[in-house]
Amino acid sequence: NAGVTQTPKFQVLKTGQSMTLQCAQDMNHEYMSWYRQDPGMGLRLIHYSVGAGITDQGEVPNGYNVSRSTTEDFPLRLLSAAPSQTSVYFCASNSGTGSNGYTFGSGTRLTVV
Amino acid sequence: SQKIEQNSEALNIQEGKTATLTCNYTNYSPAYLQWYRQDPGRGPVFLLLIRENEKEKRKERLKVTFDTTLKQSLFHITASQPADSATYLCALDGSGGYQKVTFGIGTKLQVIP
Repeated sequence: NAGVTQTPKFQVLKTGQSMTLQCAQDMNHEYMSWYRQDPGMGLRLIHYSVGAGITDQGEVPNGYNVSRSTTEDFPLRLLSAAPSQTSVYFCASNSGTGSNGYTFGSGTRLTVV
Repeated sequence: SQKIEQNSEALNIQEGKTATLTCNYTNYSPAYLQWYRQDPGRGPVFLLLIRENEKEKRKERLKVTFDTTLKQSLFHITASQPADSATYLCALDGSGGYQKVTFGIGTKLQVIP
């Protein structure tokens, strides 16, 4: 049982490049979310999904796109990377029943130069 | 606006003592409050969830209280050990529901042998 798997673990991008951060979970969880974590700012919600085909914006959605074609996968796309997107990105999932917290991936450390 | 406050300063405590961490919130009426542990370079790990109609919850050496009148949660670790040293995050579901969980900045706990 792998839980939440994020790839890659590290990435360096040049300003203006695009890329996709991958997230997959094998727990059949309905809810999935993307957070970014910056020093002194804590975890901030980027986008979230309550099921396949359903996504919505969180607190800091600008510059990011998501889609949820399957229950298992929830990729995060950076459209045109900016230095302000340098951060650690975490994907998380939850069953949505309200009985447990979120399961987080190990994170992707992204640097935009 | 909704706000979660955790003491951003580190908490140093002697091994064997009880560590108490505080989470205060304003402009929320959460149905759930959660506590997570985060180690450096890792994703947060879910510890405990407490519902608005629960006053206290325990799990092994951990105890969480939830006072909706004071808008405060206390997180206790009894008989603390150096292995408990980590950052502890408080999280609430906001007006958007359980799928939109907001995290506090976290409190770093250092247990001194």
